[in-house]
Amino acid sequence: NAGVMQNPRHLVRRRGQEARLRCSPMKGHSHVYWYRQLPEEGLKFMVYLQKENIIDESGMPKERFSAEFPKEGPSILRIQQVVRGDSAAYFCASSPRTGASGANVLTFGAGSRLTVL
Amino acid sequence: GESVGLHLPTLSVQEGDNSIINCAYSNSASDYFIWYKQESGKGPQFIIDIRSNMDKRQGQRVTVLLNKTVKHLSLQIAATQPGDSAVYFCAEMGSGGSNYKLTFGKGTLLTVNP
Repeated sequence: NAGVMQNPRHLVRRRGQEARLRCSPMKGHSHVYWYRQLPEEGLKFMVYLQKENIIDESGMPKERFSAEFPKEGPSILRIQQVVRGDSAAYFCASSPRTGASGANVLTFGAGSRLTVL
Repeated sequence: GESVGLHLPTLSVQEGDNSIINCAYSNSASDYFIWYKQESGKGPQFIIDIRSNMDKRQGQRVTVLLNKTVKHLSLQIAATQPGDSAVYFCAEMGSGGSNYKLTFGKGTLLTVNP
C-alpha cells in the first residue's frame, strides 16, 4: 500500500498561471480532504470530497480555487491565476470513512509545495 | 472564534530527557483532540488522540493529558530521542456534522540534542 500519493511534490508557477495538484488516496479510501499550510503555520482545512461529490468546501477561497474527485483518477486541486499569497504546502488526506471512528484512520500525503514567483 | 493554539513555538531538550508540549483550545464544546508529528518535508503523522470523556491516555513513550477545566492539553514524550525531532501539532476534530474537519494549532518545533 503506497499510502496517499501527491504530485507534483514541488511546483513553481509565475503569477497568473494555473496550478494543478493531484492526490491519489490510499487504496480503499473514498474520502479525500485538502489542507493548506502556510510557512510556520498549522494546516487549514480547505475542502472535503467523496467520489464525484464536494461535501464541504467551506475552507476554499471563493475565487480561483476549485477541487474535484472524479469517478476515475485522482483528486485535483486547481488554482487559477495564482498569486504570491498562494505559495504554501498543500496536503491531501484520505480516509475510509468520516472521523467519527477516530483520526487514526486519516492518512496524510507528503504534500505539494507551491511556489509562486 | 474557535481556535487551537500552542503555548511555546520551540522546545529544545537533551536526548533521554522527557519532553512536554502544551496546547490550549478555546472551544469548550470540543470533544476530540489529536496530536500530530510533522517531520521536515512530510505530512502530519498521527501520534495519539483523546476524547473529552478521558483526562489521560498513554501510548508507546507518549502520554496525552486533557484538562477540560482550563481547556488545555499536553503531549508528554518519555526518553526523547533524536528521531523525535519534528514539529508537533495539536488538533481538534469537529463533532456532529463536522466530524471530519481538523482544526490545527500552529505547532511546536521540538529539537532533540544528542
